[in-house]
Amino acid sequence: EPEVTQTPSHQVTQMGQEVILRCVPISNHLYFYWYRQILGQKVEFLVSFYNNEISEKSEIFDDQFSVERPDGSNFTLKIRSTKLEDSAMYFCASSERTDSTNEKLFFGSGTQLSVL
Amino acid sequence: ILNVEQSPQSLHVQEGDSTNFTCSFPSSNFYALHWYRWETAKSPEALFVMTLNGDEKKKGRISATLNTKEGYSYLYIKGSQPEDSATYLCAPLNFGNEKLTFGTGTRLTIIP
Repeated sequence: EPEVTQTPSHQVTQMGQEVILRCVPISNHLYFYWYRQILGQKVEFLVSFYNNEISEKSEIFDDQFSVERPDGSNFTLKIRSTKLEDSAMYFCASSERTDSTNEKLFFGSGTQLSVL
Repeated sequence: ILNVEQSPQSLHVQEGDSTNFTCSFPSSNFYALHWYRWETAKSPEALFVMTLNGDEKKKGRISATLNTKEGYSYLYIKGSQPEDSATYLCAPLNFGNEKLTFGTGTRLTIIP
C-alpha cells in the first residue's frame, strides 16, 4: 500500500541552526500538509500546499518556516533558525482531495525534532 | 480557533467489551469530520471522513455517527480487541479552510 515517508525519523539540532525535514508524499496526491505535536499537546496544523504554492498557513508558520516541493516527489519543511519551542514531532501528510469522499489525510510516521 | 473536545481523555476496556467515546465541535460553518486512529510509534491512520448530518459509517467493528446540528460525533467499537489499543483523534474541517483542528484524543487501552 502506498505510504508517506519522512526522513529523518529523529533530528537533534542546536538552537539557531537551520533544519530541513523531508517528506515523500503519495505519488498521485495533490495536497500536502505539515502538522506538528509538541509533547503533551494537541496535533497542530502548520501549512497546506497545493499546485506549488501555500494554500493556507497557521499563525505558527511564521517567517522562520518555509516549504518547498523541489522536484516531483519531495516536500520539505525548513526551519531557518530553530528555537527551543520548535521541539516537536513533525508530521507530513498528503491527500487526493478530488472530492469530499477522498479527503482523508495519509500521514507519515513523523520526524521528532529536538532543539537543544 | 475551533474548540474541539474529546471525552473521555483515556479509557480502559476489557477485551470483548464494547465502548464508545465522543467528539464535540462547533456546528457553525461545518464541512466535514475526520476520525483517525493513532497507534504508538506509528502514523495516524484515517478511519472515517463524515460530512452529512445523521451519517453513519462502519469499518469492521468500528462505527461512527455524526450530528452536525448539535456538533458531536460518537465512535463505537464493538467487541474490543487488543489491537484496538490506540489514541483516537477527531478533527473537524470548516468550509473554506484547509486545516484540520484536532482534539486531544481519547487514549484507549484494551485489557486482555
